[in-house]
Amino acid sequence: AQSVSQHNHHVILSEAASLELGCNYSYGGTVNLFWYVQYPGQHLQLLLKYFSGDPLVKGIKGFEAEFIKSKFSFNLRKPSVQWSDTAEYFCAPYNTDKLIFGTGTRLQVFP
Amino acid sequence: DSGVTQTPKHLITATGQRVTLRCSPRSGDLSVYWYQQSLDQGLQFLIQYYNGEERAKGNILERFSAQQFPDLHSELNLSSLELGDSALYFCASSPRNHRENEKLFFGSGTQLSVL
Repeated sequence: AQSVSQHNHHVILSEAASLELGCNYSYGGTVNLFWYVQYPGQHLQLLLKYFSGDPLVKGIKGFEAEFIKSKFSFNLRKPSVQWSDTAEYFCAPYNTDKLIFGTGTRLQVFP
Repeated sequence: DSGVTQTPKHLITATGQRVTLRCSPRSGDLSVYWYQQSLDQGLQFLIQYYNGEERAKGNILERFSAQQFPDLHSELNLSSLELGDSALYFCASSPRNHRENEKLFFGSGTQLSVL
């Protein structure tokens, strides 16, 4: 069955620390990949997406993600987090007519 | 399994028709959210219900409406369908109100194809 796994459920960092959130999926075939973010009190918004081409994708607010096809992974990274990055992050692979959200990772950044 | 159930999984219909999508939230969750996913625009928030009442409205067309019933399940009604309404429609639930920093749990979505 198709599935997505976000390894980190809760991450706590200090400002300026580097961030990497893991995402693995089990789809076969062509996959489009999304990362969504939900800031406190707000609705989900798109952080970045990968359809094809350069496997290193840059999104908003300094985030980037790398698609590694051989590892079925699409990890989210940021070199230096800020307090305002405190949010819930969802990985979501999309295949034809199926999109599955990961369980989400809660990131807390302390000043 | 998130505990959020959406039916049907797939729906194929014609332009001008009306359809109803159904969502059952996780047991005990009071809030239900509807989202529309199109490939180019990503996920768009449509509407939120909390304990039977509309709580927040997003980019929902006038042709669309929703409600949450006393048993907390929700229905999204789409009428006068157009080709551009073809998308994945997601429902999510949370225990209370998302403004209290709650986690969302997503259903598996309904794929709507308008021909």
